[in-house]
Amino acid sequence: ETGVTQSPTHLIKTRGQQVTLRCSSQSGHNTVSWYQQALGQGPQFIFQYYREEENGRGNFPPRFSGLQFPNYSSELNVNALELDDSALYLCASSLALGQSTDTQYFGPGTRLTVL
Amino acid sequence: DAKTTQPPSMDCAEGRAANLPCNHSTISGNEYVYWYRQIHSQGPQYIIHGLKNNETNEMASLIITEDRKSSTLILPHATLRDTAVYYCIVRVVTGNQFYFGTGTSLTVIP
Repeated sequence: ETGVTQSPTHLIKTRGQQVTLRCSSQSGHNTVSWYQQALGQGPQFIFQYYREEENGRGNFPPRFSGLQFPNYSSELNVNALELDDSALYLCASSLALGQSTDTQYFGPGTRLTVL
Repeated sequence: DAKTTQPPSMDCAEGRAANLPCNHSTISGNEYVYWYRQIHSQGPQYIIHGLKNNETNEMASLIITEDRKSSTLILPHATLRDTAVYYCIVRVVTGNQFYFGTGTSLTVIP
């Protein structure tokens, strides 16, 4: 158990809809990273939030957006869902001190299916 | 961007040591080697990390070659619950993202 929680566990949406996924970070952690994992692939970095600001982004379109709240929990929003967005979405929390980022601890993930 | 190469699959007999290799020939001096594992679509689980020296914790040992171009994760006494996909990752000390490859699928055989 990492102390990182995600909701919901599973979600089914249709193409064109919007979805919001949620993540609560481990106590004491100030940084949240989001990853997308397609079936049979390794996780792919979407973006990271540090103290409520985006702090790095992977190769994902702008319809993937996020928020981090003062309590360091986070949301991932995906607009105009496409079939290829079907994946396991993982969040990971860590503690950033200055420019150094500590080990990332992952939540159990949210399985999104787009029909 | 993965910067690591791992064999796609390996088998190991239960109770024996599992030695998982990773090649990271382009690693820079300020990059750590991290190992995670993922059991059947659960979130990746942190195992161990190191910079230059060999490291050991309650889960595993990490052996990094002197030139740092490769490393080996050692599970000393593999159990059936160690069956998982193991990812070797390099990360800049000041970096904010992990680049996962496709990992090694380890199967522990009874």
